[in-house]
Amino acid sequence: DTGVSQDPRHKITKRGQNVTFRCDPISEHNRLYWYRQTLGQGPEFLTYFQNEAQLEKSRLLSDRFSAERPKGSFSTLEIQRTEQGDSAMYLCASSLSGGASYNEQFFGPGTRLTVL
Amino acid sequence: GDSVTQMEGPVTLSEEAFLTINCTYTATGYPSLFWYVQYPGEGLQLLLKATKADDKGSNKGFEATYRKETTSFHLEKGSVQVSDSAVYFCALAGGTSYGKLTFGQGTILTVHP
Repeated sequence: DTGVSQDPRHKITKRGQNVTFRCDPISEHNRLYWYRQTLGQGPEFLTYFQNEAQLEKSRLLSDRFSAERPKGSFSTLEIQRTEQGDSAMYLCASSLSGGASYNEQFFGPGTRLTVL
Repeated sequence: GDSVTQMEGPVTLSEEAFLTINCTYTATGYPSLFWYVQYPGEGLQLLLKATKADDKGSNKGFEATYRKETTSFHLEKGSVQVSDSAVYFCALAGGTSYGKLTFGQGTILTVHP
């Protein structure tokens, strides 16, 4: 397994357009997380899945954002009617669950979104 | 809510200098603490972790000790190398059972030969 992959790596779009990003986690990992990172800041939590269930969403995730993990494997993050403030790096991470008090999250390379 | 504060950056050092990057946190309960590193052009990688008070995490010559009394988790390295140039993030996972991470703002480290 080559780790967490994200597609596309870069996306440039015009304001008002819809965009969708994909994350493929490490195959045996049942937890999947989305974070957003703006320039000069640390990543901020957006949402979390355990298998196919979305168990928490941050207040940062407005109603223009939706995330799915239909079969408990890959996940998609869609942003509708993009705004310039959505420009950021979108990071995906995955981990195992159960057992240890903390299971390491492995991060993908991110999708950099630029909204013109 | 939970929060992490890192020292103001960036940090510029000469090779073989001593490194300290300060990190303090606010959290309820007993969080786990981490340092993540982001090398140029690469994704976030876990550098080290500590899951309870007085634990010391260490990796690649870096160390950090979980200090509950001062709510701190400062990163140190005795002799930095050019290859350590990267962005370093302090983070915590606390409160939830699934390990949602709260990150500091990051510190850019540049090491000159």
